[in-house]
Amino acid sequence: NAGVTQTPKFRILKIGQSMTLQCAQDMNHNYMYWYRQDPGMGLKLIYYSVGAGITDKGEVPNGYNVSRSTTEDFPLRLELAAPSQTSVYFCASSYSGQPLHGYTFGSGTRLTVV
Amino acid sequence: GQQLNQSPQSMFIQEGEDVSMNCTSSSIFNTWLWYKQDPGEGPVLLIALYKAGELTSNGRLTAQFGITRKDSFLNISASIPSDVGIYFCAGSNTGNQFYFGTGTSLTVIP
Repeated sequence: NAGVTQTPKFRILKIGQSMTLQCAQDMNHNYMYWYRQDPGMGLKLIYYSVGAGITDKGEVPNGYNVSRSTTEDFPLRLELAAPSQTSVYFCASSYSGQPLHGYTFGSGTRLTVV
Repeated sequence: GQQLNQSPQSMFIQEGEDVSMNCTSSSIFNTWLWYKQDPGEGPVLLIALYKAGELTSNGRLTAQFGITRKDSFLNISASIPSDVGIYFCAGSNTGNQFYFGTGTSLTVIP
């Protein structure tokens, strides 16, 4: 049971490039989330999804896009990378919105935009 | 966005000592969570609190949901080296969006 798998683990992008951060979970969780973590800061919610075909903005959605075509996958897209998007990105999933049911984080993707 | 303040920002303690940290919010929450993050890893849920005044334990960890619903506290008793890490609080009203604190970095000196 892999849990929440994020790829890649590290990436360096040039300003203006685009990329997709992949996130997959094999726990049949309905809820999936994308967070970013800046140095010395807590996690900020970018986007979340309560099920396939449904996505919603979090606290800091600007500059990002998501899709949820399957229950398992929740990719995060950066269209025009900017230095302000340098961060560590965490994907998470849960069976429902209640953390008692399990709120599992991936190990993160460290992105640097230069 | 919501502002959650954690204190202290960092702690250096001797092995065996007890640890206390807290988290305050500018808004009322109906759920408080405490997470621990090891270097290079994602956060791991330690304790979830759902009711004002609730006191919940997980081994040597005890967390409390503040009566005002704007704060929460985490205590670690008899600290050990593996307690090292960053501890985050998180609060929510909806269950869908959790707002995270800035973290308390804990160093345990053997």
